[in-house]
Amino acid sequence: QKEVEQDPGPLSVPEGAIVSLNCTYSNSAFQYFMWYRQYSRKGPELLMYTYSSGNKEDGRFTAQVDKSSKYISLFIRDSQPSDSATYLCAMSGGSNYKLTFGKGTLLTVNP
Amino acid sequence: DGGITQSPKYLFRKEGQNVTLSCEQNLNHDAMYWYRQDPGQGLRLIYYSQIVNDFQKGDIAEGYSVSREKKESFPLTVTSAQKNPTAFYLCASSTGPTIYNEQFFGPGTRLTVL
Repeated sequence: QKEVEQDPGPLSVPEGAIVSLNCTYSNSAFQYFMWYRQYSRKGPELLMYTYSSGNKEDGRFTAQVDKSSKYISLFIRDSQPSDSATYLCAMSGGSNYKLTFGKGTLLTVNP
Repeated sequence: DGGITQSPKYLFRKEGQNVTLSCEQNLNHDAMYWYRQDPGQGLRLIYYSQIVNDFQKGDIAEGYSVSREKKESFPLTVTSAQKNPTAFYLCASSTGPTIYNEQFFGPGTRLTVL
């Protein structure tokens, strides 16, 4: 079992839809969770990060962490064509400060 | 503007040649990282450095080498020993090697072996 599992998609939604992106993980030492957005042929950019279980909101984006289920989510409200990108989850914790990445989910928002 | 620069953006190499990818940051970050990204594979860690003159192997270090002589620079050499070097290479930095430090990425270098 891989440490981090992420459905690669692709995911295609109409403009204005609510998007849900998810990752599961197996390492209970993970404490720190991040979401990166990567446009085609560009470097990833940090979108959101959270340390604890619960929800964290930033504009149209909400990051959710459920440590008991080892499950994290990123919700995008009122999705826009400019949200079309690959979304990568990443996490770290325990004695290992290295980031472990999911494989990324390719999202397309159609106008 | 503070950030991470990588050069060149595109690089072509003949088989058997070594090539060096540049990574520079002006964020005053202590830690720097090199990742490789292949389609459908996510990001895999090649090497990382916590401080100047120190670096450690990541998950896929074979066929690669690095140096960290200056805080702001962390060049990656792809040697001829790397069997499948065609990939997108990403450099990142963070303030320090703890679990609560977000990593910031450069724009990447796409290496193609001809």
